Amino acid sequence: GESVGLHLPTLSVQEGDNSIINCAYSNSASDYFIWYKQESGKGPQFIIDIRSNMDKRQGQRVTVLLNKTVKHLSLQIAATQPGDSAVYFCAENEGDYGQNFVFGPGTRLSVLP
Amino acid sequence: KAGVTQTPRYLIKTRGQQVTLSCSPISGHRSVSWYQQTPGQGLQFLFEYFSETQRNKGNFPGRFSGRQFSNSRSEMNVSTLELGDSALYLCASSLWGQTDSPLHFGNGTRLTVT
Repeated sequence: GESVGLHLPTLSVQEGDNSIINCAYSNSASDYFIWYKQESGKGPQFIIDIRSNMDKRQGQRVTVLLNKTVKHLSLQIAATQPGDSAVYFCAENEGDYGQNFVFGPGTRLSVLP
Repeated sequence: KAGVTQTPRYLIKTRGQQVTLSCSPISGHRSVSWYQQTPGQGLQFLFEYFSETQRNKGNFPGRFSGRQFSNSRSEMNVSTLELGDSALYLCASSLWGQTDSPLHFGNGTRLTVT
């Protein structure tokens, strides 16, 4: 997707509320998707993944939803905590053989006390 | 298990110079990928190596190159540096580099070109 550069979309939520971060992907042939969390000064950290033969997958406090019809991915974080504040990226693997991930522009999640 | 290790953490180079960045993957991982992260373009794929062979390549000029050694460690090189090459360079590893397996990232090398 297009990058919005320094002006990342920002989602502000109250501590304890649920967060929903959305992502539109570009390649209808992509069959594997990942959500990453990136904190300042660190590399992206794996959160959860989903294959295209699934619509939903749950982890600990996180759920990923995949809507292939509209090429949309979402990450739901339950009971958001201050430690969840970070930039979140979705990624789709466009490699037919091996790995060639395309990353979304990212969303900055800010958790308010 | 130790994570992906990238060295050096920070680099400052002058336009026209060349630079080599190093990456040690998670022990046992055979696939290594490199990404460039900038505020303007976000995370962009550079290349992927598996068993010492470049398996995938992104849309970067030939000044960007890489290699992988028999122990799966990888290096990337940028020649004739330009100001626009200033970025965070991220290395990621994966066990077999399958199309449905996640990347595990290091904390990156921050390159500044002056």
